[in-house]
Amino acid sequence: GENVEQHPSTLSVQEGDSAVIKCTYSDSASNYFPWYKQELGKRPQLIIDIRSNVGEKKDQRIAVTLNKTAKHFSLHITETQPEDSAVYFCAAMGAGSYQLTFGKGTKLSVIP
Amino acid sequence: SAVISQKPSRDICQRGTSLTIQCQVDSQVTMMFWYRQQPGQSLTLIATANQGSEATYESGFVIDKFPISRPNLTFSTLTVSNMSPEDSSIYLCSVGRTGGNEQYFGPGTRLTVT
Repeated sequence: GENVEQHPSTLSVQEGDSAVIKCTYSDSASNYFPWYKQELGKRPQLIIDIRSNVGEKKDQRIAVTLNKTAKHFSLHITETQPEDSAVYFCAAMGAGSYQLTFGKGTKLSVIP
Repeated sequence: SAVISQKPSRDICQRGTSLTIQCQVDSQVTMMFWYRQQPGQSLTLIATANQGSEATYESGFVIDKFPISRPNLTFSTLTVSNMSPEDSSIYLCSVGRTGGNEQYFGPGTRLTVT
Protein backbone atom coordinates (compact mmCIF):
# COMPACT_ATOMS: atom_id res chain seq x y z
CA GLY A 1 0.00 0.00 0.00
CA GLU A 2 0.85 3.66 -0.10
CA ASN A 3 3.34 5.09 2.37
CA VAL A 4 3.71 8.83 2.97
CA GLU A 5 6.71 10.30 4.78
CA GLN A 6 6.55 13.89 6.06
CA HIS A 7 9.36 16.17 7.27
CA PRO A 8 10.07 17.95 9.49
CA SER A 9 7.93 16.85 12.42
CA THR A 10 8.25 20.28 14.03
CA LEU A 11 9.11 23.65 12.51
CA SER A 12 9.53 27.04 14.16
CA VAL A 13 9.78 30.21 12.10
CA GLN A 14 9.75 33.91 12.81
CA GLU A 15 6.67 35.81 11.75
CA GLY A 16 7.11 37.00 8.17
CA ASP A 17 9.51 34.21 7.22
CA SER A 18 8.68 31.32 4.90
CA ALA A 19 7.95 27.74 5.91
CA VAL A 20 8.42 24.62 3.80
CA ILE A 21 7.08 21.15 4.59
CA LYS A 22 8.07 18.18 2.46
CA CYS A 23 6.42 14.83 1.78
CA THR A 24 7.38 11.77 -0.21
CA TYR A 25 5.08 8.98 -1.36
CA SER A 26 5.76 5.43 -2.46
CA ASP A 27 3.01 4.56 -4.96
CA SER A 28 3.75 6.03 -8.39
CA ALA A 29 0.05 5.55 -9.29
CA SER A 30 -1.06 8.11 -6.68
CA ASN A 31 -2.56 11.10 -8.43
CA TYR A 32 -4.02 13.46 -5.83
CA PHE A 33 -2.16 15.21 -3.01
CA PRO A 34 -4.04 17.37 -0.50
CA TRP A 35 -2.75 19.34 2.46
CA TYR A 36 -4.74 19.75 5.66
CA LYS A 37 -4.32 22.22 8.50
CA GLN A 38 -5.45 21.16 11.95
CA GLU A 39 -5.65 23.67 14.75
CA LEU A 40 -5.73 22.43 18.30
CA GLY A 41 -9.03 20.75 19.11
CA LYS A 42 -10.43 21.27 15.62
CA ARG A 43 -11.07 19.19 12.55
CA PRO A 44 -8.52 18.90 9.72
CA GLN A 45 -9.22 21.59 7.14
CA LEU A 46 -8.36 21.19 3.47
CA ILE A 47 -6.18 24.18 2.53
CA ILE A 48 -4.75 23.29 -0.87
CA ASP A 49 -4.36 20.30 -3.14
CA ILE A 50 -2.62 19.31 -6.35
CA ARG A 51 -3.24 16.69 -8.98
CA SER A 52 -0.59 14.68 -10.74
CA ASN A 53 -0.99 16.52 -14.04
CA VAL A 54 0.06 19.81 -12.44
CA GLY A 55 3.50 20.79 -11.17
CA GLU A 56 2.60 23.76 -8.99
CA LYS A 57 -0.46 25.43 -7.53
CA LYS A 58 -0.69 28.66 -5.60
CA ASP A 59 -3.38 30.23 -3.44
CA GLN A 60 -2.39 33.58 -1.93
CA ARG A 61 0.37 32.87 0.61
CA ILE A 62 0.37 29.10 0.21
CA ALA A 63 1.67 27.01 -2.66
CA VAL A 64 2.22 23.34 -3.36
CA THR A 65 4.74 21.82 -5.72
CA LEU A 66 4.81 18.26 -7.06
CA ASN A 67 7.70 16.31 -8.53
CA LYS A 68 6.23 13.07 -9.92
CA THR A 69 9.58 11.68 -10.97
CA ALA A 70 11.01 11.97 -7.48
CA LYS A 71 7.63 11.21 -5.87
CA HIS A 72 7.67 14.17 -3.56
CA PHE A 73 5.53 17.23 -2.96
CA SER A 74 5.96 20.27 -0.77
CA LEU A 75 3.89 22.94 0.95
CA HIS A 76 5.24 26.47 0.94
CA ILE A 77 3.85 29.19 3.19
CA THR A 78 5.18 32.70 2.66
CA GLU A 79 4.93 35.72 4.96
CA THR A 80 3.93 33.49 7.87
CA GLN A 81 1.56 34.83 10.50
CA PRO A 82 0.85 33.61 14.05
CA GLU A 83 -2.49 32.23 12.86
CA ASP A 84 -0.59 29.84 10.58
CA SER A 85 0.52 27.98 13.72
CA ALA A 86 -1.06 24.51 13.54
CA VAL A 87 -0.33 20.92 12.60
CA TYR A 88 -0.14 20.36 8.84
CA PHE A 89 -0.78 16.97 7.25
CA CYS A 90 0.04 15.90 3.73
CA ALA A 91 -1.78 12.99 2.11
CA ALA A 92 -1.79 10.94 -1.06
CA MET A 93 -4.64 9.26 -2.90
CA GLY A 94 -4.20 6.28 -5.20
CA ALA A 95 -5.73 6.27 -8.64
CA GLY A 96 -9.39 5.25 -8.45
CA SER A 97 -9.29 4.46 -4.73
CA TYR A 98 -10.57 7.68 -3.11
CA GLN A 99 -8.67 6.61 0.02
CA LEU A 100 -6.21 8.99 1.60
CA THR A 101 -2.94 7.96 3.25
CA PHE A 102 -1.65 10.66 5.58
CA GLY A 103 1.81 11.71 6.62
CA LYS A 104 2.59 11.95 10.34
CA GLY A 105 2.15 15.71 10.45
CA THR A 106 4.28 18.82 11.00
CA LYS A 107 3.71 21.11 13.95
CA LEU A 108 4.36 24.63 12.72
CA SER A 109 4.94 27.38 15.25
CA VAL A 110 5.11 30.98 14.04
CA ILE A 111 6.86 33.18 16.58
CA PRO A 112 5.63 36.79 16.71
CA SER B 1 -18.43 22.15 0.74
CA ALA B 2 -21.00 20.11 2.66
CA VAL B 3 -21.91 20.77 6.28
CA ILE B 4 -20.93 17.73 8.33
CA SER B 5 -21.99 17.05 11.89
CA GLN B 6 -21.11 14.30 14.33
CA LYS B 7 -22.76 13.10 17.50
CA PRO B 8 -21.68 12.90 20.23
CA SER B 9 -18.90 15.47 20.21
CA ARG B 10 -17.28 13.70 23.15
CA ASP B 11 -17.96 10.89 25.55
CA ILE B 12 -16.39 9.08 28.46
CA CYS B 13 -17.17 5.37 28.49
CA GLN B 14 -16.37 2.39 30.63
CA ARG B 15 -14.34 -0.48 29.28
CA GLY B 16 -16.36 -3.33 27.85
CA THR B 17 -19.18 -1.10 26.65
CA SER B 18 -19.96 0.13 23.12
CA LEU B 19 -20.51 3.58 21.65
CA THR B 20 -22.20 4.49 18.38
CA ILE B 21 -21.05 7.65 16.63
CA GLN B 22 -23.25 9.34 14.05
CA CYS B 23 -22.17 11.33 11.00
CA GLN B 24 -24.75 13.49 9.23
CA VAL B 25 -24.23 15.48 6.02
CA ASP B 26 -26.54 18.22 4.76
CA SER B 27 -26.39 16.98 1.16
CA GLN B 28 -25.98 13.67 -0.62
CA VAL B 29 -22.39 12.49 -0.90
CA THR B 30 -20.98 9.47 -2.63
CA MET B 31 -18.07 8.72 -0.36
CA MET B 32 -18.03 8.49 3.41
CA PHE B 33 -15.04 7.40 5.42
CA TRP B 34 -14.22 6.84 9.08
CA TYR B 35 -10.83 7.77 10.53
CA ARG B 36 -9.18 7.43 13.91
CA GLN B 37 -6.76 10.00 15.28
CA GLN B 38 -4.98 8.89 18.43
CA PRO B 39 -3.70 11.63 20.75
CA GLY B 40 -0.96 13.65 19.05
CA GLN B 41 -0.94 11.34 16.03
CA SER B 42 -1.91 11.37 12.38
CA LEU B 43 -5.13 10.17 10.82
CA THR B 44 -5.65 6.48 10.09
CA LEU B 45 -8.41 5.23 7.82
CA ILE B 46 -10.64 2.68 9.53
CA ALA B 47 -13.05 1.92 6.70
CA THR B 48 -15.01 3.17 3.74
CA ALA B 49 -18.75 3.28 4.47
CA ASN B 50 -20.58 1.94 1.42
CA GLN B 51 -24.21 2.83 0.91
CA GLY B 52 -26.34 -0.29 0.77
CA SER B 53 -23.51 -2.75 1.29
CA GLU B 54 -20.91 -3.80 3.85
CA ALA B 55 -18.15 -1.38 4.70
CA THR B 56 -14.63 -1.91 3.36
CA TYR B 57 -12.15 -2.17 6.23
CA GLU B 58 -8.47 -1.32 6.22
CA SER B 59 -5.81 -3.66 7.49
CA GLY B 60 -5.93 -3.88 11.26
CA PHE B 61 -9.60 -3.00 11.57
CA VAL B 62 -12.42 -5.57 11.68
CA ILE B 63 -16.17 -5.44 11.44
CA ASP B 64 -16.76 -7.07 14.82
CA LYS B 65 -14.87 -4.28 16.56
CA PHE B 66 -15.99 -1.37 14.36
CA PRO B 67 -19.38 -2.15 12.78
CA ILE B 68 -20.46 0.55 10.32
CA SER B 69 -23.82 1.35 8.83
CA ARG B 70 -24.67 3.60 5.90
CA PRO B 71 -28.40 3.48 5.23
CA ASN B 72 -28.43 6.41 2.79
CA LEU B 73 -26.25 9.03 1.09
CA THR B 74 -26.32 11.51 3.98
CA PHE B 75 -25.83 9.41 7.11
CA SER B 76 -23.46 6.84 8.59
CA THR B 77 -22.70 5.36 11.98
CA LEU B 78 -19.56 3.86 13.46
CA THR B 79 -19.78 1.68 16.56
CA VAL B 80 -16.76 1.10 18.76
CA SER B 81 -17.47 -2.24 20.44
CA ASN B 82 -16.21 -3.81 23.63
CA MET B 83 -14.08 -0.76 24.32
CA SER B 84 -10.71 -0.74 26.03
CA PRO B 85 -8.55 2.26 27.05
CA GLU B 86 -6.57 1.77 23.81
CA ASP B 87 -9.68 2.86 21.90
CA SER B 88 -9.40 6.34 23.40
CA SER B 89 -9.07 8.52 20.30
CA ILE B 90 -10.78 11.07 18.16
CA TYR B 91 -13.02 9.46 15.55
CA LEU B 92 -13.73 11.50 12.43
CA CYS B 93 -15.92 10.96 9.42
CA SER B 94 -15.02 12.45 6.07
CA VAL B 95 -17.03 12.85 2.90
CA GLY B 96 -16.31 13.17 -0.78
CA ARG B 97 -18.05 13.00 -4.12
CA THR B 98 -17.38 10.75 -7.11
CA GLY B 99 -15.54 12.69 -9.78
CA GLY B 100 -13.95 14.97 -7.21
CA ASN B 101 -11.07 14.01 -4.98
CA GLU B 102 -11.65 16.55 -2.23
CA GLN B 103 -12.54 15.17 1.20
CA TYR B 104 -13.92 17.16 4.07
CA PHE B 105 -13.93 16.17 7.70
CA GLY B 106 -16.58 16.25 10.35
CA PRO B 107 -15.79 17.88 13.71
CA GLY B 108 -14.84 14.57 15.31
CA THR B 109 -15.90 12.61 18.38
CA ARG B 110 -13.47 12.58 21.28
CA LEU B 111 -13.74 9.23 23.04
CA THR B 112 -12.18 8.46 26.40
CA VAL B 113 -12.38 4.91 27.74
CA THR B 114 -11.79 4.41 31.44
